[in-house]
Amino acid sequence: GAGVSQSPSNKVTEKGKDVELRCDPISGHTALYWYRQSLGQGLEFLIYFQGNSAPDKSGLPSDRFSAERTGGSVSTLTIQRTQQEDSAVYLCASSLGNSPGNEQFFGPGTRLTVL
Amino acid sequence: SQKIEQNSEALNIQEGKTATLTCNYTNYSPAYLQWYRQDPGRGPVFLLLIRENEKEKRKERLKVTFDTTLKQSLFHITASQPADSATYLCALFSGSARQLTFGSGTQLTVLP
Repeated sequence: GAGVSQSPSNKVTEKGKDVELRCDPISGHTALYWYRQSLGQGLEFLIYFQGNSAPDKSGLPSDRFSAERTGGSVSTLTIQRTQQEDSAVYLCASSLGNSPGNEQFFGPGTRLTVL
Repeated sequence: SQKIEQNSEALNIQEGKTATLTCNYTNYSPAYLQWYRQDPGRGPVFLLLIRENEKEKRKERLKVTFDTTLKQSLFHITASQPADSATYLCALFSGSARQLTFGSGTQLTVLP
């Protein structure tokens, strides 16, 4: 497939557990973004990676959230000690670069439910 | 504080009519504005980009305007079809932030 893929598509966890969400961007895309979308809300920026530069973590809501991108490709978003307010759809997007003219290609998202 | 506002209500229109969606922003100086379409259970899909020095951009039945004085973008779908029913998101790119900031979206329903 040529698109952005994310796994799992759905994740149900108990409060206090850690979760890992995975994103496979489009091959060759140097920029990768994570967003969070709560029910009926817009997208909330979390973090972005651009090539080998230090990631922009300015959108991470707390230190329980972290992300890494290995080899400039696959990215993992980790949420530690999950809380019920973390329940949302987590979307990953990639683009050819962080030029404003570059459209972002989104994956289908991971729906996280924290019980 | 910075704010992006889209049509606060869901928008219902009759098939064949023109749908007009609004995106207003405050305390931004966006260099670019993008529109995305999002269907239920899916990620957003890019539709159009318009730059700050452009007044209007067209793509097939879609038209976007960008008025930096009014701090507003309008998104038009002409000859609307039920298949156009979706949530439409505007997103601003501000050079200082180096990232897209999204509005909360407008849910459009085109009635047959």
